[in-house]
Amino acid sequence: QLVESGADLVKPGGSLRLSCAASGFDFSDHSMAWIRQAPGTGLEWISFISHSGRTIYYADSVKGRFIVSRDNAKNSLYLQMNSLRDEDTAIYYCARSPLRVAAYFDSWGHGTLVTVSS
Amino acid sequence: DIQMTQSPSTLSASLGDRVTITCRASQSVSTWVAWYQQKPGKAPKLLIYKASTLESGVPSRISGSGSGTEFTLTISSLQPDDFATYYCQQYNKMWTFGQGTRVEIK
Repeated sequence: QLVESGADLVKPGGSLRLSCAASGFDFSDHSMAWIRQAPGTGLEWISFISHSGRTIYYADSVKGRFIVSRDNAKNSLYLQMNSLRDEDTAIYYCARSPLRVAAYFDSWGHGTLVTVSS
Repeated sequence: DIQMTQSPSTLSASLGDRVTITCRASQSVSTWVAWYQQKPGKAPKLLIYKASTLESGVPSRISGSGSGTEFTLTISSLQPDDFATYYCQQYNKMWTFGQGTRVEIK
């Protein structure tokens, strides 16, 4: 199970940290990702972190502003979001890749809504 | 970046119909394609990976095919639970989703 938290209303330029708590599987054996969905639109992958945390990728839309991290001892994934823009308004999902490979996403959280507005 | 283009954007169909959704990649992604189903207010659910492998628990009326740049998702006999939005995704180079296909009741 994956459970996101950290939803909030934030002003443009502000910061927010999302968390994703994992349970029911060996978190340290799985790569993870953040995927977002703006209201009424499709899915956008924004960040990936390998099982060890040593390999990280970002979409161009968030590169330099967002930072993904994980704490395998706490079974948790994080997304630090800085310099937020109106267009970052979306539901943010954490998702699991099967085992250590960078692949599709076989389990998703319920999502947490981030609203960026003045 | 690899673009994934789905068609149609909306599909109107009746119970029992056979429906096919197409996804085209802007460059070859081999068979590194997954398909997801999403219902309103819910997270996406994995249906198919590696273009044609059915995820555990997904009904056999759902199938996927294709390789290279052309992929299809087929539902052989549409059931009430299948009215939803479907997304393709490539994972050959980073990750990209198609824009989605909404399957609605005719």
